[in-house]
Amino acid sequence: DIQMTQSPSSVSASVGDRVTITCRASRGISNWLAWYQQKPGKAPRLLIYAASSLQSGVPSRFSGSGSGTDFTLTISSLQPEDFATYYCQEANNSPQVTFGGGTKVETK
Amino acid sequence: QLQLQESGPGLVKPSETLSLTCSVSGGSISSSNYYWGWIRQPPGKGLEWIGNIYYSGSTYYNASLKSRVTISVDTSKNQFSLKLSSVTAADTAVYYCARYHIPRGWFDPWGQGTLVTVSS
Repeated sequence: DIQMTQSPSSVSASVGDRVTITCRASRGISNWLAWYQQKPGKAPRLLIYAASSLQSGVPSRFSGSGSGTDFTLTISSLQPEDFATYYCQEANNSPQVTFGGGTKVETK
Repeated sequence: QLQLQESGPGLVKPSETLSLTCSVSGGSISSSNYYWGWIRQPPGKGLEWIGNIYYSGSTYYNASLKSRVTISVDTSKNQFSLKLSSVTAADTAVYYCARYHIPRGWFDPWGQGTLVTVSS
């Protein structure tokens, strides 16, 4: 099974900051990676698919990059509504998938 | 706009079987472009994939749950279902259903989720 390791587990940031979250796969997964945002009490929301494709309706301050084993989600200028937990999800052996452990973006 | 809605008991006794249904509206569950999945989230913890099903009935399960999980589909009702047997307190979680985009895929949209508590 592929393991997905997110880092950091939490990050403290201020509005306007650039925030970068990393997801590392235990072996290569090409670009079969998605990113989700989850707010308390809500279902996850798809942000990025295929490592770098922005889901319709998602603000352009969100971007994804990477291929193989190392991936990043970047928020270029953190907004108040972006404080949330972010998850990566791999699909190399689709339709079997694995989620990362999550990264909580907190206010500094 | 496609919507998914989970339903089922919010309280299940230990050793019994958890049963949930996901009703799909605004689109057909019989589309060839998607699987349909279950994901769960224990309180305060991360997301865990449970399994995916195709409209034909083909299933894929998380290996750690495979011995206890059954996912089925009813295309006539545009629904799919989850059964998890021999539950313990560790199965207490919010259970989500979601549409899975193939071939190499992601979940979108998601249902709102339903909390299932395992307790006597």
